[in-house]
Amino acid sequence: SQELEQSPQSLIVQEGKNLTINCTSSKTLYGLYWYKQKYGEGLIFLMMLQKGGEEKSHEKITAKLDEKKQQSSLHITASQPSHAGIYLCGAPRRGSQGNLIFGKGTKLSVKP
Amino acid sequence: EAGVTQSPTHLIKTRGQQATLRCSPISGHTSVYWYQQALGLGLQFLLWYDEGEERNRGNFPPRFSGRQFPNYSSELNVNALELEDSALYLCASSSGGKVYNEQFFGPGTRLTVL
Repeated sequence: SQELEQSPQSLIVQEGKNLTINCTSSKTLYGLYWYKQKYGEGLIFLMMLQKGGEEKSHEKITAKLDEKKQQSSLHITASQPSHAGIYLCGAPRRGSQGNLIFGKGTKLSVKP
Repeated sequence: EAGVTQSPTHLIKTRGQQATLRCSPISGHTSVYWYQQALGLGLQFLLWYDEGEERNRGNFPPRFSGRQFPNYSSELNVNALELEDSALYLCASSSGGKVYNEQFFGPGTRLTVL
């Protein structure tokens, strides 16, 4: 079955530093979603990528999907305390429409 | 524009009881999805409703059921509650028309089963 693996599991960075979170799929991706979750709350949609090599940016967050469509990275530039939270990657499960599978998340803490 | 709303925020039940969770999608969205986020298990897909019909369900027992109303809002029912049903239940909505649509999530309902 298809799985999404995120790395690292947790990350502590100093405010102002850059960071990267990775999401690797065991199978070819037909779409990749990035979400942010505050502990115990709902998910905030960040970006969706569909094409190999695609890159999208929103404010200081950039996400890329590799050419082979099996890995995505999320890069935050000049991190701020407001970036703290759990970042989740999600992807449509092959053969099961409407069903997103998710990685286990990367917990980001930003020290002021 | 209002986002996805869910009610109640918190729900406490005892084993064997039934729980009903509600979700209102973003205006104009016809699809509603339900996910369970249990401690240590991550987010797991429960159900997908579109245009009033159940389109897909995840690997959950039949005591997890739901429906979608003509106004596209949705209800998730969990019968014969078990302790392991304690989790954050998240609802998401999307517009129709494409195979893969962005799913926008609500704040969730925290269900505690005692």
